[in-house]
Amino acid sequence: AQSVTQLDSQVPVFEEAPVELRCNYSSSVSVYLFWYVQYPNQGLQLLLKYLSGSTLVKGINGFEAEFNKSQTSFHLRKPSVHISDTAEYFCAVPWNTGFQKLVFGTGTRLLVSP
Amino acid sequence: EAQVTQNPRYLITVTGKKLTVTCSQNMNHEYMSWYRQDPGLGLRQIYYSMNVEVTDKGDVPEGYKVSRKEKRNFPLILESPSPNQTSLYFCASSTRAASYNEQFFGPGTRLTVL
Repeated sequence: AQSVTQLDSQVPVFEEAPVELRCNYSSSVSVYLFWYVQYPNQGLQLLLKYLSGSTLVKGINGFEAEFNKSQTSFHLRKPSVHISDTAEYFCAVPWNTGFQKLVFGTGTRLLVSP
Repeated sequence: EAQVTQNPRYLITVTGKKLTVTCSQNMNHEYMSWYRQDPGLGLRQIYYSMNVEVTDKGDVPEGYKVSRKEKRNFPLILESPSPNQTSLYFCASSTRAASYNEQFFGPGTRLTVL
């Protein structure tokens, strides 16, 4: 079974600063990888996903992530954050090849202050 | 508007009193799923359904039941709730290939069991 690890439970950052949220996955097979965002008091919504092809994936709201097979990572980045980016971010991966089940990381809370 | 709805949004109940949380989607999705979100644990899957009358256990199914009699509805049933089921619950849906397609999440149901 595949799994994801989000090393940082909370990341404080000032507005307009760059940010990187880390995600590492465990898999010896082809992977699909996802980042979801949860704004306060809301459900999750898809930020971006990697299925194949270019290792640099662009998502909504100026976020991007890079798939790195050698480091088994899929870190999320944004060059300049806004107050409105304050949210919890989840990395996710299918549980196993052919299984219609996603496994989510424990989440990283991004706190953007003025 | 394409959406996943859950009811109720907030519920306080007592140990042992049966309850049902409803979930409905209007996107004609085959796949539906229930998750619970707990601090420090992220999202964990309770049950999922690939289609009408097809359900399977997720990672934490104990104490929960589901049914899928219609494509659009996927209720979560707690026959005898206990305090350790106090949590934030999310319903989600996607097209059949949930392992690489976006999941659409409902707004969440915050359950407190006293």
